[in-house]
Amino acid sequence: LAKTTQPISMDSYEGQEVNITCSHNNIATNDYITWYQQFPSQGPRFIIQGYKTKVTNEVASLFIPADRKSSTLSLPRVSLSDTAVYYCLVGNDYKLSFGAGTTVTVRA
Amino acid sequence: GAVVSQHPSRVICKSGTSVKIECRSLDFQATTMFWYRQFPKQSLMLMATSNEGSKATYEQGVEKDKFLINHASLTLSTLTVTSAHPEDSSFYICSAQGAGNTIYFGEGSWLTVV
Repeated sequence: LAKTTQPISMDSYEGQEVNITCSHNNIATNDYITWYQQFPSQGPRFIIQGYKTKVTNEVASLFIPADRKSSTLSLPRVSLSDTAVYYCLVGNDYKLSFGAGTTVTVRA
Repeated sequence: GAVVSQHPSRVICKSGTSVKIECRSLDFQATTMFWYRQFPKQSLMLMATSNEGSKATYEQGVEKDKFLINHASLTLSTLTVTSAHPEDSSFYICSAQGAGNTIYFGEGSWLTVV
């Protein structure tokens, strides 16, 4: 499984855009990049998944450069309820290995 | 989206007893499910892979005789913590593969051993 590196924490304010970059230098050709959100005492919630270029859904965008050695999760106009831990995972099977994640704190 | 449900959400048991946690895929069949544990303010740690109709595969360092996993049907996997001790107190989370390459997680189950 490819090792991932994310910032430990990020602070933001309501209404701002939050961008979290994940490094995965040894990503394999058939690996996907998936982001999850976790609130305290809850299981992780799927946010978005991509393989290359850009993926957008109703809650986030995922930017993946051509070399795929990093990816950036973009959360537009965050609110207080977006305060959570965000995990970047890289792999091609269903046995997910979680890193430390990024704690995003949104302030009023 | 796909839904994975766990039960109970919270359980307290006495030291030395066994406790069972259920993980169900509500709207899809899952031949493979996964069990994680998470201590406060730490990340998720994969414990084992639950395979329908066959033995579970445990990660290194996880005692298979203590954490019994049964995956008797395509929608249900159970984790039984046997002879529980206070150090087994943790947040246990299961996951299952939904459509495509997406893994969905249950709500988690808090186990407190007193």
